[in-house]
Amino acid sequence: AQSVTQLGSHVSVSEGALVLLRCNYSSSVPPYLFWYVQYPNQGLQLLLKYTSAATLVKGINGFEAEFKKSETSFHLTKPSAHMSDAAEYFCAVSGRGSNYKLTFGKGTLLTVNP
Amino acid sequence: DSGVTQTPKHLITATGQRVTLRCSPRSGDLSVYWYQQSLDQGLQFLIQYYNGEERAKGNILERFSAQQFPDLHSELNLSSLELGDSALYFCASSVGGQGTNEQYFGPGTRLTVT
Repeated sequence: AQSVTQLGSHVSVSEGALVLLRCNYSSSVPPYLFWYVQYPNQGLQLLLKYTSAATLVKGINGFEAEFKKSETSFHLTKPSAHMSDAAEYFCAVSGRGSNYKLTFGKGTLLTVNP
Repeated sequence: DSGVTQTPKHLITATGQRVTLRCSPRSGDLSVYWYQQSLDQGLQFLIQYYNGEERAKGNILERFSAQQFPDLHSELNLSSLELGDSALYFCASSVGGQGTNEQYFGPGTRLTVT
């Protein structure tokens, strides 16, 4: 079974500061990993995905994530936070069998202070 | 705009009733997934269809059922509704049924059971 743990249900940063959202996964096979963002009253938007190519993955809106197998981590970062980054972020894992469901973490709410 | 449409946006109904949620996938996508988002359970996978056939089941109650039609749109039927069924229901679609295929989410249907 696969699972994802997001450390910190709420992260608060100042505008211009580094954003770091933590995600650790558990999987018996090499996983596919995703980060999604959800703005208030909206659906989920894909930020980036890892599918066993490059370990450093660049996504939209200046976000990137690094896959570290030794640490079973896939943390999301952005060098400089903008007010518009305030949203909820979800890490998700997908498998390689016939069931390609996404298993989500509980989410991290990012607040950006002016 | 992800290209995935869901109707209705909001639904308010009473306990014991039955409702149908509708999803149209992105053009060309063959897979449809249904997810439930609630405060206590987070984002949970319900069911997946691929080209009209059920591919995988998750935490879907027996009172819930789904189908995917020849034109690839999908419906999620919820019956004998209980207060605990109140949640945001998302539909997602992907090109195929592979784990590498990113899933694109619709805006969701907010169901309120009174």
